[in-house]
Amino acid sequence: GAVVSQHPSRVICKSGTSVKIECRSLDFQATTMFWYRQFPKQSLMLMATSNEGSKATYEQGVEKDKFLINHASLTLSTLTVTSAHPEDSSFYICSAPPGVGQETQYFGPGTRLLVL
Amino acid sequence: AQTVTQSQPEMSVQEAETVTLSCTYDTSENNYYLFWYKQPPSRQMILVIRQEAYKQQNATENRFSVNFQKAAKSFSLKISDSQLGDTAMYFCAFMKRDSGYSTLTFGKGTMLLVSP
Repeated sequence: GAVVSQHPSRVICKSGTSVKIECRSLDFQATTMFWYRQFPKQSLMLMATSNEGSKATYEQGVEKDKFLINHASLTLSTLTVTSAHPEDSSFYICSAPPGVGQETQYFGPGTRLLVL
Repeated sequence: AQTVTQSQPEMSVQEAETVTLSCTYDTSENNYYLFWYKQPPSRQMILVIRQEAYKQQNATENRFSVNFQKAAKSFSLKISDSQLGDTAMYFCAFMKRDSGYSTLTFGKGTMLLVSP
């Protein structure tokens, strides 16, 4: 199956700093990628849809200026958590469909963010 | 908007036995896909099985099978001959069938513990 990677796998940062998380499709091109957030023992909540070459589409309640998304190439999307605070601590997961109309998504291994 | 409901927060089963996880959903769409994803302790999301709503035949993948009842909007997962490696969080998910990219809507999950 298609492979999606994320980097870093875990990061610890101080409150007020910014953190960048990368999501890469390793063996396919992804014009669209999705970013999810998962709190402990909870489900995945869609944050935004990342579109290559255009602006991301954010879900209701997600702050665009807080969670900056850049999809600069067909294999890379980045999520930057700006001015991170302890409440931003969570597990962030990206996914990508392998093609238009493909009825599945491949998930990255996730990034654990801890803000002190 | 779609909703997915998993009414069993936790389930336990002994090795080699069979267990069924429940999922119901609500949608006004007629063309869609349903999924079961597994999230083991590593937190990597793994696709277990997929069902196309227009197919009456229930999907099967080795020890995993579904009971898809479209009229009742029910989509349960049966795991036969349970193995210790099946211990994980299981998420039921819905995706609208579209010509472009569609997002996944997840249920809250069921934690399955397989004991020796």
